[in-house]
Formats: sequence, C-alpha cells, structure tokens
Amino acid sequence: KQEVTQIPAALSVPEGENLVLNCSFTDSAIYNLQWFRQDPGKGLTSLLLIQSSQREQTSGRLNASLDKSSGRSTLYIAASQPGDSATYLCAVPGAYKYIFGTGTRLKVLA
Amino acid sequence: DTAVSQTPKYLVTQMGNDKSIKCEQNLGHDTMYWYKQDSKKFLKIMFSYNNKELIINETVPNRFSPKSPDKAHLNLHINSLELGDSAVYFCASSQGLAAPPNTGELFFGEGSRLTVL
Repeated sequence: KQEVTQIPAALSVPEGENLVLNCSFTDSAIYNLQWFRQDPGKGLTSLLLIQSSQREQTSGRLNASLDKSSGRSTLYIAASQPGDSATYLCAVPGAYKYIFGTGTRLKVLA
Repeated sequence: DTAVSQTPKYLVTQMGNDKSIKCEQNLGHDTMYWYKQDSKKFLKIMFSYNNKELIINETVPNRFSPKSPDKAHLNLHINSLELGDSAVYFCASSQGLAAPPNTGELFFGEGSRLTVL
C-alpha cells in the first residue's frame, strides 16, 4: 500500500532564502508525481507534474526532482518570498486515486 | 473560465439534515474524484468516477451518495449529517484513471466547507 510522507511538517524562513521541501513514497512504481500549493481557505493549485521518465521539472523559481529508486521527490524554491507562504503537498497516482502527503506548511517572513 | 467548479462554497447545517454539493469540470476529463480534507488538512479520497462509472468507494458510509449524470459532473449528496462530517470537500478531475498508463495531471475545485452544528 502506497504511503506518502512529507517533512518537515512546518517551516519558517526569512525572505530570500533558498529552501527544500521533501516528499517520500513507499512504492517506487509510480507513474508520475505532482506538487501542489494550497493557500488558506482555498483549493489546491498544481505547481509541477514530473513524469516517471523525468528527473526534474522547473517552473520559474520552483524546481522539482524525482528519484524513484530512493522513493523521494524534492521541491526546491529559490529566493523565497512572503507570497510563497502556503501549504505544499505532493501526490502520486495509484490504484485509481491520487495519494497525498501530509503537507509542509511554509511561512516566509518579510 | 473556472476549470473545476463546486457549489456551494459554504454550507452550515444542523445534524440530521441532508445536503448536496455539485461539481462540474470543463476540461474534458474522463475521471472525477471527491476528496475530504479534515481539520488536520489531510486529504483523503472518498470516491473515484470514470466516464460516469464508480471506480472507488473508499469505505465511505452509505449516507454519502455520489452521482455522475455525465462525465463532466459529479455531485455528492449526504444524508443524515453528523458532526464528524464537518470538513472541506474537494472535487477534482484528471484525464485517465490514476493508474498506469493513463495518469494525467490532477485539477482541483475551490472546495466546499461543510459545518454541521
């Protein structure tokens, strides 16, 4: 049974720092992995989708990497800004559903 | 144009009442989902539908009855509401069944916050 965990659960950093969020999954036979952002009281916004054949995917200041063999993905945020404050979730598809991690709550201080 | 839209955004109701949440997607996807997000913000699958057919019912009480009139719509009806049903319910859609080889990008609605008093 696939399990997805994210560490840290919460992170508070000063503006301008580069930071790394981690996502681990127990079953490496994944087809893709998706990173989402959730602002308070809002839905989930898709940030990046990495196919299993890819090792990384970039969008602006965000870079996501995928290492299937070790069951890990990382989301790298460069030059963090207060507007990056949100909860970040990763998800993997399997058994006709998407399984979500527990999320990392990020706060970027001005 | 909103890709996945849910209504209503907020519901406040008494225990024992019945309520419905509607969801529509205009992305042309064939698969739709209902997720429940509890107070700890964990997202748990409730139902998966593919081309109007139920694929997954993840041990959800039968007070919850989803209905998909067509592949662009997935509604959720809840009977005899209980305090523990208070949560945010998210509708989502994707192209493909979240199983190889068809696993497309997942898109979410804004959520429907249900409060049962």
